[in-house]
Amino acid sequence: QKEVEQDPGPLSVPEGAIVSLNCTYSNSAFQYFMWYRQYSRKGPELLMYTYSSGNKEDGRFTAQVDKSSKYISLFIRDSQPSDSATYLCAMSARGGYQKVTFGTGTKLQVIP
Amino acid sequence: SQTIHQWPATLVQPVGSPLSLECTVEGTSNPNLYWYRQAAGRGLQLLFYSVGIGQISSEVPQNLSASRPQDRQFILSSKKLLLSDSGFYLCAWSGWGAGEDTQYFGPGTRLTVL
Repeated sequence: QKEVEQDPGPLSVPEGAIVSLNCTYSNSAFQYFMWYRQYSRKGPELLMYTYSSGNKEDGRFTAQVDKSSKYISLFIRDSQPSDSATYLCAMSARGGYQKVTFGTGTKLQVIP
Repeated sequence: SQTIHQWPATLVQPVGSPLSLECTVEGTSNPNLYWYRQAAGRGLQLLFYSVGIGQISSEVPQNLSASRPQDRQFILSSKKLLLSDSGFYLCAWSGWGAGEDTQYFGPGTRLTVL
């Protein structure tokens, strides 16, 4: 069993839709949870960063962590064609200085 | 602010040829540095990480090697490339000055071995 599981997609949605991206994990030591966005042929860029459980909102993006279920989500409201990218979840037990475990990524396409 | 550079952006090399990819970070000191390889559908594979000059840890045994000759410089090398070395190579850093306590990636090098 992989430490982090992420549905690879692809996920196609119409412009303006609410998008839900999810990851599950098995290591209960994970406390730091990240979402990266990666455009085609580019390096991943940090999108959201949360510590422990709860929600965090940044503009159209909301990150949600449920440690009891070992489940994290990224919600995108009012999705735009520019949101079309691969979204990687990532997590670590002790922050960036330690090993970060990445999901394989979900490819999202927002259709105008 | 911090900036991470990688070069070259794209590289096509024959099997058996040597490789040298370079990564530099600006705007920080004593960063942790990482080399990842990303293959289609397989996610990010950590190859090497370094916590300081000359300190390299290897995650996956293979024909690649890494060196850190200066504080903010990280080099990925190979003496003889294999077809299986093709992929997207990403350098990342973490540490002082980072907005969050996580890793930040460079633009990547796309390597094709023919």
